[in-house]
Amino acid sequence: KAGVTQTPRYLIKTRGQQVTLSCSPISGHRSVSWYQQTPGQGLQFLFEYFSETQRNKGNFPGRFSGRQFSNSRSEMNVSTLELGDSALYLCASSFLGGVRNTEAFFGQGTRLTVV
Amino acid sequence: SQKIEQNSEALNIQEGKTATLTCNYTNYSPAYLQWYRQDPGRGPVFLLLIRENEKEKRKERLKVTFDTTLKQSLFHITASQPADSATYLCALGDYGGSQGNLIFGKGTKLSVKP
Repeated sequence: KAGVTQTPRYLIKTRGQQVTLSCSPISGHRSVSWYQQTPGQGLQFLFEYFSETQRNKGNFPGRFSGRQFSNSRSEMNVSTLELGDSALYLCASSFLGGVRNTEAFFGQGTRLTVV
Repeated sequence: SQKIEQNSEALNIQEGKTATLTCNYTNYSPAYLQWYRQDPGRGPVFLLLIRENEKEKRKERLKVTFDTTLKQSLFHITASQPADSATYLCALGDYGGSQGNLIFGKGTKLSVKP
């Protein structure tokens, strides 16, 4: 079956702009989580969506937001970009999420560079 | 606050040897622990999950132990091969019922030399 698809793979934006990233989970998966990965901080959780509802949220400013559609596809948006937002943004999907799952399936990520 | 430490940023070993990676945590009582492999430019790939009531899990050349008293997990790769070279991440989860409760370590970059 098809894996998790993230688009675009690479993105260059200017400070102050906003950006939208997309994630298509594995068919049948209802949970989609977003992570930010940087060399200094590692993988940090942004938020999780389950059946179109945000179920959990990490410690990121309100400039980071997301949503999930009825087909489980998810988008995340970052407004007023800062240089520090440069990172690899990863999306992970799972059937239910939490301890009832055995694994999360990650996409290849979107490499965002803010200049 | 919750903290996860993976013993070293990098580990270099010779082909055929056993690689042992360590994941320590504090201020946390995880329900389960996962190990992932990440290659450059790619997303993490799930390897193993071990729950708090399990001491050891094996999968082919991989073995994971989980000691909730020591607050530590050990990840072993036996008969290591150059193809095992990658960054390995540990992640902890709790009973919050949400994938969002996964907390990741920063990873250990393993290099297996022929």
